[in-house]
Amino acid sequence: RKEVEQDPGPFNVPEGATVAFNCTYSNSASQSFFWYRQDCRKEPKLLMSVYSSGNEDGRFTAQLNRASQYISLLIRDSKLSDSATYLCVVPSTDSWGKLQFGAGTQVVVTP
Amino acid sequence: SAVISQKPSRDICQRGTSLTIQCQVDSQVTMMFWYRQQPGQSLTLIATANQGSEATYESGFVIDKFPISRPNLTFSTLTVSNMSPEDSSIYLCSVEDRDRGSYNEQFFGPGTRLTVL
Repeated sequence: RKEVEQDPGPFNVPEGATVAFNCTYSNSASQSFFWYRQDCRKEPKLLMSVYSSGNEDGRFTAQLNRASQYISLLIRDSKLSDSATYLCVVPSTDSWGKLQFGAGTQVVVTP
Repeated sequence: SAVISQKPSRDICQRGTSLTIQCQVDSQVTMMFWYRQQPGQSLTLIATANQGSEATYESGFVIDKFPISRPNLTFSTLTVSNMSPEDSSIYLCSVEDRDRGSYNEQFFGPGTRLTVL
């Protein structure tokens, strides 16, 4: 089983709609989690950090379910500019500084 | 967050040659890392660049193939040695500044797109 698993998508979302997708992780000792956004041919950019049960930043909400070992990302009122690949990232608990990346979930917002 | 630059942004190289990629940060940071992102895949950590000492390599990556330098707290280089087409990838450096309390939050440079013919 992979350390971090994501639904690759693509999630095709009409502009203005809400989209949500999950990321599952295998290490129950993980304490922090991150969502990064990666545009085509660009570097990943940190979107949101999750240290407790969840986090909210504008139209973006991340929720953590420790019992089931998944993190979700919800995007409300989708904009065309939200089209990107969203990477779920879980720091390793046995290697200092090492991040474990999911394969990414592709979101395509359509007019 | 820190501003990170990489040089070159892209290169096309012949097999058997080597390429050195530079990563420059506009402020001193505690941790610097090198990642590889192969076409259509997610990121894989190559090594942690340690200031003043040898880099710490992940499983599957060795110093002879990917020598790394980190002479100070703002600069690091990654060399891809004796290249083959399988080394075609995007190479990214990232930084984490633990002195500012942002544990595990890494910020990435723009990447170097390498094509080996």
